[in-house]
Amino acid sequence: DSGVTQTPKHLITATGQRVTLRCSPRSGDLSVYWYQQSLDQGLQFLIQYYNGEERAKGNILERFSAQQFPDLHSELNLSSLELGDSALYFCASSVAGTGATDTQYFGPGTRLTVL
Amino acid sequence: GQNIDQPTEMTATEGAIVQINCTYQTSGFNGLFWYQQHAGEAPTFLSYNVLDGLEEKGRFSSFLSRSKGYSYLLLKELQMKDSASYLCAVRDYGQNFVFGPGTRLSVLP
Repeated sequence: DSGVTQTPKHLITATGQRVTLRCSPRSGDLSVYWYQQSLDQGLQFLIQYYNGEERAKGNILERFSAQQFPDLHSELNLSSLELGDSALYFCASSVAGTGATDTQYFGPGTRLTVL
Repeated sequence: GQNIDQPTEMTATEGAIVQINCTYQTSGFNGLFWYQQHAGEAPTFLSYNVLDGLEEKGRFSSFLSRSKGYSYLLLKELQMKDSASYLCAVRDYGQNFVFGPGTRLSVLP
């Protein structure tokens, strides 16, 4: 158990819908990262927040958005869902969010299925 | 552009030693990480390298050569539970993490 929690564990929805994925970081970690993992694409970095502010942006679609709240939990919002958005979505957290030695710890993931 | 290469699959025998290679071309370098991921589970941290050389951690060691854009993960005394995917990831100057496609290791009895 990494100490990072994600809800829900599974989510099934229809194309065109909007969903929200939630992540609570490990106690003491200020940085949260979101990743998408699909069978054909591997693990793709989406976005990073540090202490409420966006720090780095990867391959995140405009239909997706995220935020980190004052209590440091984070939400990833996915809208106008398409079949290709079906994937495992992981959240990770780290202490500082910068520096080569800052290790990320991953949550158990949310499996999103778009029908 | 950003590119990380790893072999897709490897097979080894229980008790043996296996080396998983990773080559990278990224926008700057700010550390290289290795993760283990069992099917359907979250990646778990194994090791990181920021300076050239070998880092040893029990049965696992990781090596880095920044000038060659090359790293390897060495697993000794292989156990059946080591069957998993091994992900190489590089943090670039923009603090982005770029993950390789992963190497699926099968350990046979």
